[in-house]
Amino acid sequence: DAGVTQSPTHLIKTRGQHVTLRCSPISGHKSVSWYQQVLGQGPQFIFQYYEKEERGRGNFPDRFSARQFPNYSSELNVNALLLGDSALYLCASSLSGGAEETQYFGPGTRLLVL
Amino acid sequence: QQPVQSPQAVILREGEDAVINCSSSKALYSVHWYRQKHGEAPVFLMILLKGGEQKGHDKISASFNEKKQQSSLYLTASQLSYSGTYFCGTESKDRGSTLGRLYFGRGTQLTVWP
Repeated sequence: DAGVTQSPTHLIKTRGQHVTLRCSPISGHKSVSWYQQVLGQGPQFIFQYYEKEERGRGNFPDRFSARQFPNYSSELNVNALLLGDSALYLCASSLSGGAEETQYFGPGTRLLVL
Repeated sequence: QQPVQSPQAVILREGEDAVINCSSSKALYSVHWYRQKHGEAPVFLMILLKGGEQKGHDKISASFNEKKQQSSLYLTASQLSYSGTYFCGTESKDRGSTLGRLYFGRGTQLTVWP
């Protein structure tokens, strides 16, 4: 069975540009969460989606937005990129996003902002 | 809300044991442990849900003391493959909007030498 997939694997952008990252959850999983991991730190929660509805949002500016599609895949959008947005962006899927459920991480998208 | 992990780094010889601790200032509902190797996504190890719960997986086990808001990960007879950064992710007891939102510590870097 395929795990969580993310695309692209790497991305280089310049300040002020916009980026879209994509995630496909494990088959049967209806919840997707997005995390940002800066070098040397643990993942930081950005968003959680379940059944196309936003369930939770972390402490990130409005430049960050996301959505979930009917097939449960998800996109993370970041506008007006800043140097500080350079990070590994991880997508995690779970069955229904419950606190007792395991979240399985994808390989991540490594974003570099120049 | 970010849990505190200790120690920051551990260096072991193959066959030695290690303990990694995770503590939170908030009441916890669950603790999730992950291992991440350099350049890869975090890999799920185990989830602990109830106060006093202990779990084991091969030579890796963990405990969760709900009262003390602490969890510990025990690595017994370490192998070279155990090297990586270990993260604990915590879910607080405030349900609702925090559902499925994990707060991660800064990680413990474990290096096992032959």
